[in-house]
Amino acid sequence: EAQVTQNPRYLITVTGKKLTVTCSQNMNHEYMSWYRQDPGLGLRQIYYSMNVEVTDKGDVPEGYKVSRKEKRNFPLILESPSPNQTSLYFCASSFVLGYEQYFGPGTRLTVT
Amino acid sequence: GESVGLHLPTLSVQEGDNSIINCAYSNSASDYFIWYKQESGKGPQFIIDIRSNMDKRQGQRVTVLLNKTVKHLSLQIAATQPGDSAVYFCAENIQGAQKLVFGQGTRLTINP
Repeated sequence: EAQVTQNPRYLITVTGKKLTVTCSQNMNHEYMSWYRQDPGLGLRQIYYSMNVEVTDKGDVPEGYKVSRKEKRNFPLILESPSPNQTSLYFCASSFVLGYEQYFGPGTRLTVT
Repeated sequence: GESVGLHLPTLSVQEGDNSIINCAYSNSASDYFIWYKQESGKGPQFIIDIRSNMDKRQGQRVTVLLNKTVKHLSLQIAATQPGDSAVYFCAENIQGAQKLVFGQGTRLTINP
């Protein structure tokens, strides 16, 4: 089954404790992206990647890092999480940049 | 379930009626549009897309209409069913920007 998977689905952590949210897709897509979704603000792009070892900032990259060492995986790293990073995070992938994207199920992150 | 927007516009329809969800997009240079459906606790799911050289496109029980003159997009759902309850949002690809820009969404509720 074609899908984007994310782990964990739910995470509660404390300020400053480094964490990684994993994302994997099995569709051989070149383009992958991370979004956060907040009430009243909609989906905002954090980072995106056009291929292995090619990443770029989205609209809200501050406080986040990403890596793309393999085509299928695109982890999101929070080196020192803060409460304003409490949000719902989605990973997405697509064949072509800027077109139909397939989303993962989401990761609900709470930073206390 | 997950809350994707505390103050989203809401549309309530009777089961079996047709639903029309509207979206105003921002950039006259946008050349590709998508409608997504997001059910509680899930990631956004692709419904239908349309390119700017088209005015209308039909899928299974859904139709998207594009009015470039007033920068307006609509999603029509025929014979609305309980499973159609979700948040619906549009996304636009601004030509040259190579990314999708998402709208805030509309919550569709179905009355039995």
